[in-house]
Amino acid sequence: AQKVTQAQTEISVVEKEDVTLDCVYETRDTTYYLFWYKQPPSGELVFLIRRNSFDEQNEISGRYSWNFQKSTSSFNFTITASQVVDSAVYFCALSEGTGANSKLTFGKGITLSVRP
Amino acid sequence: DTEVTQTPKHLVMGMTNKKSLKCEQHMGHRAMYWYKQKAKKPPELMFVYSYEKLSINESVPSRFSPECPNSSLLNLHLHALQPEDSALYLCASSQTTGGSITDTQYFGPGTRLTVL
Repeated sequence: AQKVTQAQTEISVVEKEDVTLDCVYETRDTTYYLFWYKQPPSGELVFLIRRNSFDEQNEISGRYSWNFQKSTSSFNFTITASQVVDSAVYFCALSEGTGANSKLTFGKGITLSVRP
Repeated sequence: DTEVTQTPKHLVMGMTNKKSLKCEQHMGHRAMYWYKQKAKKPPELMFVYSYEKLSINESVPSRFSPECPNSSLLNLHLHALQPEDSALYLCASSQTTGGSITDTQYFGPGTRLTVL
């Protein structure tokens, strides 16, 4: 069975600090997809990134960057120069396989608070 | 445009009421999902529709009845709910590829349901 572990539960930083959110996953499949979602207090899950298991290239999007390492089964997310608007719950998720019954498994989420 | 809309935003109902939640997307996606999310927990998958057919039912009690009238609409009919069913109900959609469901799921803002 697949599993996603987000060991950090709550992180609090001061604005402009850099912060890294950790995600470790377990899967037996060779084909899988990893995701990060942001859930602000309003409740909507906002898609941030999708990475397939064959693409280990790190990605940067503005202040956001992701580090995917298959050797350690990790897909970590770094926010550079954090802002108050980054305050939210962040979920890492794993989707296995390519069948019609593949499902998304979420980690427990990390609550990030950015103080002004 | 990656918009999924849900109505109503908030719903309060008694245990004997019958109500429905509505979800709509106009992205041409052929997979649609219902999730239930309790406070400080990750979303839990309830149902998946693929090409308007129910493909996954995560052993959800029969007091929750999903319906997919067409490829853009997804309903969740509620009847005889319990107070523990109070939660945020999230709808999502994704574009299937070759009958598989591994594409990015885009979520709506959710309906906050309170059962009295």
